[in-house]
Amino acid sequence: KQEVTQIPAALSVPEGENLVLNCSFTDSAIYNLQWFRQDPGKGLTSLLLIQSSQREQTSGRLNASLDKSSGRSTLYIAASQPGDSATYLCAVCTGNQFYFGTGTSLTVIP
Amino acid sequence: DAGITQSPRHKVTETGTPVTLRCHQTENHRYMYWYRQDPGHGLRLIHYSYGVKDTDKGEVSDGYSVSRSKTEDFLLTLESATSSQTSVYFCAISEISGVTDTQYFGPGTRLTVL
Repeated sequence: KQEVTQIPAALSVPEGENLVLNCSFTDSAIYNLQWFRQDPGKGLTSLLLIQSSQREQTSGRLNASLDKSSGRSTLYIAASQPGDSATYLCAVCTGNQFYFGTGTSLTVIP
Repeated sequence: DAGITQSPRHKVTETGTPVTLRCHQTENHRYMYWYRQDPGHGLRLIHYSYGVKDTDKGEVSDGYSVSRSKTEDFLLTLESATSSQTSVYFCAISEISGVTDTQYFGPGTRLTVL
């Protein structure tokens, strides 16, 4: 069974800092990996999706990398802003099912 | 995203009562999912559907049933609600673009079972 782990569970950084969130998974046979953002009391918003054949994807200040062989992905956030404060979740797709990590709660301090 | 709505958004019910949650989508996506989200567990798949009347179990399907009689609607039923089913329930669809599945989520339903 696929296990997805996110470390750290919580992170607090000053505004303007660059930061990295980590996601690891146990089974490298994935179709893709997706990063989501979740604000308190809200649903999940898709940020980036990396196909299994890709190494990275970029969207604005966000860059996600994937190392399938080692079972790892990172989400890099450049020049963090208070509006980036949220919980970030990663999910891996294996066929018709998606497996989620428990998320990293990010607080960006003004 | 992807025109997904869930109803109700909040519900309080008592142990032993049946509960049905509805997920509605407007864009004709084939795959639909029901998840529950609990502290410390993240999102866990309950059931999913890959077409009208085609459904399959997920990781935590015990105590839940689903039905999909139309492409746009996916219903989750708790036949006899228990306190352990207090959770936030999310519906999702899978949008397939080429070989890639991207998931989009509804706003969630907060269910409390007393």
